[in-house]
Amino acid sequence: EVQLLESGGGLVQPGGSLRLSCAASGLTFGSRAMSWVRQAPGKGLEWISVISGSDATTYYADSVKGRFTFSRDNSKNTLYLQMNSLRAEDTAVYYCAKILCSGPTCSHWNFDLWGRGTLVTVSS
Amino acid sequence: QSALTQPASVSGSPGQSITISCTGTSSDVGGYDYVSWYQQHPGKAPRLMIYDVSNRPSGVSNRFSGSKSGNTASLTISGLQAEDEADYFCSSYTRSTVVIFGGGTKLTVL
Repeated sequence: EVQLLESGGGLVQPGGSLRLSCAASGLTFGSRAMSWVRQAPGKGLEWISVISGSDATTYYADSVKGRFTFSRDNSKNTLYLQMNSLRAEDTAVYYCAKILCSGPTCSHWNFDLWGRGTLVTVSS
Repeated sequence: QSALTQPASVSGSPGQSITISCTGTSSDVGGYDYVSWYQQHPGKAPRLMIYDVSNRPSGVSNRFSGSKSGNTASLTISGLQAEDEADYFCSSYTRSTVVIFGGGTKLTVL
């Protein structure tokens, strides 16, 4: 069974940093396009970042631009989300999600595989 | 940009049909045929149920169907089953933020 597993969440003080990881079983990230999506407690989902499959170009939501960095290490088959200058409003469950692709064509607004998420709590 | 608007909750009895609405604007739902629906059971990963308004991924029951009219998309679940009880989120492509989600709807099977 193909699965995604996020890790690295925890409690951090405002202004602090965390690095989240997303590992896959039964799936090679390789040149796949992937995203991070978060869900604040009791709230809806919020897309925060995407990494393209072809050249690892990244895009970010305005709410995290300049503070978060999405990267991949293909040798470890792992994705990373480096989160700096964390704020209370960053408190959420963070999911990595695989973008739906049909052959070479990917729809970056569709996510056909999600992990269970990792909780990040920003609080003093 | 505000989230898409979904009802907080809907309910139905086994065997019935229910519809969950998702209202946006001409910049998202109304502007593109790129609406998706996700099912999420408590503590579990979201699951893609419908993509691009009305397409079902492999493995998703044909009891789930999607449609769109103007700025409002809908998810219909027919022949409601106990296992359908979950939270449902809609999403839409939007040029400004790539994708925007709804606030979620809790489906209760009575």
